[in-house]
Amino acid sequence: EAGVAQSPRYKIIEKRQSVAFWCNPISGHATLYWYQQILGQGPKLLIQFQNNGVVDDSQLPKDRFSAERLKGVDSTLKIQPAKLEDSAVYLCASRGQLQETQYFGPGTRLLVL
Amino acid sequence: DAKTTQPTSMDCAEGRAANLPCNHSTISGNEYVYWYRQIHSQGPQYIIHGLKNNETNEMASLIITEDRKSSTLILPHATLRDTAVYYCIVLNEKLTFGTGTRLTIIP
Repeated sequence: EAGVAQSPRYKIIEKRQSVAFWCNPISGHATLYWYQQILGQGPKLLIQFQNNGVVDDSQLPKDRFSAERLKGVDSTLKIQPAKLEDSAVYLCASRGQLQETQYFGPGTRLLVL
Repeated sequence: DAKTTQPTSMDCAEGRAANLPCNHSTISGNEYVYWYRQIHSQGPQYIIHGLKNNETNEMASLIITEDRKSSTLILPHATLRDTAVYYCIVLNEKLTFGTGTRLTIIP
């Protein structure tokens, strides 16, 4: 089966600009996650969706980050405006209904100049 | 969340078994131990998970001590492609990644 797809793979922007990342989970997976991974650290959960509803967004910096999953399939993560410290890899993961295992996409590497 | 402790880095000779330890002394009875790895510039890859019994799949074996306070991931015949950061995680509703073990396979 196809894995988690993410785009773009790389993005370079200047600070104060906006950026959006897209994720398409594994077909049929109801739960979707966005993680942020800063260089040298493990991934950190930003937000979790169950279908099109938010389950946990406690670690999402809501003043500049937003995410949606309107139809319960694809998801978009947006940063507006970006700061230098947002430079990181943004990972999307998904999980099936009766599983605990999360499967990750390749990530989007963001560089904010 | 139950914390895990892993060595920062390890080396292993190609073709030998790589044994990666993990301590999780505060694990609760219903919490699973998960292992992921992350090869450079890729997303984390699921390897294996277990609760109480030892587990084996096509990638690795997971040995969990009887008291469940520690576990060991075994890659039976390491290859250069196994060079990666390996994360041991105790699953408590969410995956909380530490900094993992950087495993380098030496030719």
